[in-house]
Amino acid sequence: TQLLEQSPQFLSIQEGENLTVYCNSSSVFSSLQWYRQEPGEGPVLLVTVVTGGEVKKLKRLTFQFGDARKDSSLHITAAQPGDTGLYLCATYGGTSYGKLTFGQGTILTVHP
Amino acid sequence: NAGVTQTPKFRILKIGQSMTLQCTQDMNHNYMYWYRQDPGMGLKLIYYSVGAGITDKGEVPNGYNVSRSTTEDFPLRLELAAPSQTSVYFCASTQTFSEQYFGPGTRLTVT
Repeated sequence: TQLLEQSPQFLSIQEGENLTVYCNSSSVFSSLQWYRQEPGEGPVLLVTVVTGGEVKKLKRLTFQFGDARKDSSLHITAAQPGDTGLYLCATYGGTSYGKLTFGQGTILTVHP
Repeated sequence: NAGVTQTPKFRILKIGQSMTLQCTQDMNHNYMYWYRQDPGMGLKLIYYSVGAGITDKGEVPNGYNVSRSTTEDFPLRLELAAPSQTSVYFCASTQTFSEQYFGPGTRLTVT
């Protein structure tokens, strides 16, 4: 099973600040997904990155996939209270068919 | 489409009791999954299924059982509840190695 390490584990910032969340592995990712989970709900997919060096933008969120496909980052510009939640990276990598492995997540709190 | 539905939303069990967590999806997805999530943590895979009649263990299967008699339903059974099984349980489904669609979760407390 591919292990995913996310950092930081907790992030507490003021509205308007920028932030970056990281997801790393010692193995190469076949692809990587980022999910956001709001309190009391299930995770919802934000983006999937597949190609090394790929950059995807989703409004104020920018997702980057490392050239070697061993790391990924999520950058939020001008964070808003609505961005508060648990951000999870996940990958289908590994030998087991159909299994998605999650990182431990980054809990983001954006204060008004 | 309702997507993935889970029942119940909340449940309190006494140690040693049994219960079944229900999960249903109406998207005709072949792949279904059960995860548990402890406070402030990511999700750990309990069991998964690649189609009706086919199930396999995930990372943390001990104390749980599953069955998949239809494409739509994937119930999770706790036979002898233990405090260590206090968690939030999520069911998910997907058709390919793409987005997994999650249910709203079942919050279980074992006392």
